[in-house]
Amino acid sequence: DAKTTQPPSMDCAEGRAANLPCNHSTISGNEYVYWYRQIHSQGPQYIIHGLKNNETNEMASLIITEDRKSSTLILPHATLRDTAVYYCIVRVPGGYQKVTFGTGTKLQVIP
Amino acid sequence: EPEVTQTPSHQVTQMGQEVILRCVPISNHLYFYWYRQILGQKVEFLVSFYNNEISEKSEIFDDQFSVERPDGSNFTLKIRSTKLEDSAMYFCASSVGQGFKETQYFGPGTRLLVL
Repeated sequence: DAKTTQPPSMDCAEGRAANLPCNHSTISGNEYVYWYRQIHSQGPQYIIHGLKNNETNEMASLIITEDRKSSTLILPHATLRDTAVYYCIVRVPGGYQKVTFGTGTKLQVIP
Repeated sequence: EPEVTQTPSHQVTQMGQEVILRCVPISNHLYFYWYRQILGQKVEFLVSFYNNEISEKSEIFDDQFSVERPDGSNFTLKIRSTKLEDSAMYFCASSVGQGFKETQYFGPGTRLLVL
């Protein structure tokens, strides 16, 4: 898996959009950008993933730059329950591929 | 929405004892995994399992560890002789395995404390 770089921590005001950046300059053509989060002491939770087009689901939006070297996860209206560590991971989809977690970004949503 | 479940949620054991951690993966999934997270550290891959055999294991997954799918629904991790350093959260995950939409879904974890 290619390496990713994320800021260690970020704050966001409750109700505002949280924009979490990720750099993955060595991403390969067949690797997708995945985002997971881990709320304190819970299991990692899948959020979203994409190859090159922007993706949106009920939890978040994923914006991938045209050169695919960076991406941004957007939580449109952050709540206190979104306080968690967010992991950006690049990997090839497939059951034989493990998920390699880094240290992620600790997002603190502030009331 | 289907989810991965794990039992027990907490396990306390004495060093040298055997423990078995249990997981029920999502029913139509074909790939199963164990990960662990020592307090304050990263989530680490232990092992993946497909078609009733190990497909990949990390250097952490030594002879003290074993996995089994004893029936059509359960997936277990056994630690034969626990050590203090085995104290961690253990997460089970499962995946359907194929397609560009593939991803792994994680259970809530078992907190193992070895005394």
